[in-house]
Amino acid sequence: QQPVQSPQAVILREGEDAVINCSSSKALYSVHWYRQKHGEAPVFLMILLKGGEQKGHEKISASFNEKKQQSSLYLTASQLSYSGTYFCGTERWIGNTPLVFGKGTRLSVIA
Amino acid sequence: NAGVTQTPKFQVLKTGQSMTLQCAQDMNHNSMYWYRQDPGMGLRLIYYSASEGTTDKGEVPNGYNVSRLNKREFSLRLESAAPSQTSVYFCASSDRSGRAYEQYFGPGTRLTVT
Repeated sequence: QQPVQSPQAVILREGEDAVINCSSSKALYSVHWYRQKHGEAPVFLMILLKGGEQKGHEKISASFNEKKQQSSLYLTASQLSYSGTYFCGTERWIGNTPLVFGKGTRLSVIA
Repeated sequence: NAGVTQTPKFQVLKTGQSMTLQCAQDMNHNSMYWYRQDPGMGLRLIYYSASEGTTDKGEVPNGYNVSRLNKREFSLRLESAAPSQTSVYFCASSDRSGRAYEQYFGPGTRLTVT
C-alpha cells in the first residue's frame, strides 16, 4: 500500500525550514527517504527503523513515529542544493520485500 | 566502481516493437529492481529479484518480462511496446544482508513509444 506524502509541493527561500511528512495506514518496519534532482536518479538520504535505529545524511534529520506509522523529514536552513523531489519508501516487515514509494514532494528553494 | 549502469539512456519505439533494457551493478548486491517513473506517480515497482535465480512481480508487471542473468545483471524486456509504456525506467540494487540498507539507482532510460 502506497504511503501518502504531504505536502505535494513546497517553495522555500534560502535559510527557511521545511517538514515533509510520510504516512501509512499499515504498521511499518522501516521508512526510507530519497531525493531526486531534476533529470537525475534518486539518491538515498536516510533510513529509520522500528526500534529507533537510523542511518543517513549528516545535515538532514528525520523522525519515525511507530505508533502513528508516520515519518517526517526535517530540512533546516535550506540551501539551493536542497531543491528536488523527495520520496519516502516504506517496508511493512523485515525481510526481502521491496520498498513501496510515495508519490513524492517537490521542494523548490529560491534565493 | 561504476555502481549501477543502464543502457540505453534514450530509446524511441513504435507501437508493437520489442526491446530489452539492460542493467548491471558492480557492488556485489543480491537484490535488484526495475521501476518506472511517470509524472505525479512516484516510483512504481515493475519486477524485482531478491537474489540470483529468483524474480517476482511488483506493482505494475503487465507488459514486461525480466531476466536475472547472473548476480550482476538484470534485464527488462518489453515484448510488444505500447504508448502507455512511455516512461523513465530506473534499475536499482541493494545489499539486503543487514537491517539498514540503501538502494542505489542507475541513471535511468527514457523510453518513448509512438
